[in-house]
Amino acid sequence: QVQLVESGGGVVQPGRSLRLSCSASGFPFSNFALHWVRQAPGKGLEWVAVTSYDGRTKYYADSLKGRFTISRDNSKNTLYLQMNNLRPEDTAIYYCAKSCGGDCYWELDPWGQGTLVIVSS
Amino acid sequence: QSVLTQPPSASGTPGQRVTISCSGSSSNIGNNFVYWYQQLPGTAPKVVIYRSNQRPSGVPDRFSGSQSGTSASLAISGLRSEDEADYYCAAWDDSLSGVLFGGGTKLTVL
Repeated sequence: QVQLVESGGGVVQPGRSLRLSCSASGFPFSNFALHWVRQAPGKGLEWVAVTSYDGRTKYYADSLKGRFTISRDNSKNTLYLQMNNLRPEDTAIYYCAKSCGGDCYWELDPWGQGTLVIVSS
Repeated sequence: QSVLTQPPSASGTPGQRVTISCSGSSSNIGNNFVYWYQQLPGTAPKVVIYRSNQRPSGVPDRFSGSQSGTSASLAISGLRSEDEADYYCAAWDDSLSGVLFGGGTKLTVL
């Protein structure tokens, strides 16, 4: 059974950094691309980034390029999201999601339960 | 980042059939699969339609998806109270090299 568990959320001051983690199990981690998606309180879903199965290819939402970095450690079955220079508008639940195998980036299934990030002074 | 266009709300009575539309462009829906996600209050999204018209195991056959040109739709027949949720369409965009989500449709079962 595929399981994705996010962690690392919390309250952080504007301008500071935070690293989220997504621990995966139940599937061959190194064979699948992985996404981050966020959802601000009461708002819709916003795609953040995706990394290929080997971490060599990464795509980002234009609005987040330069501040957020997606990475993965296939030896630890863990996905990361490094968030720098955080802003109040980055306040959201951050979800990780598994894509399909190989060079497939268009699928997000399943999703983790999410971790809440609050950017506030 | 542009979004796919969905109606903000939809409603129906138990037993009715409702349809939710999703409009995009040639770089996303027109050239890629569409996914539909259901989000119940306080929970993570769950796929109800994948690859435009495929239904995952465990999703009732009351849910169906279709795609034509640059638009897609999700149909729910035999509406039930447990279908009340937010529904999002999504597709990969070749021009942006990223996933686009619709703004979401809040389905109310009257």
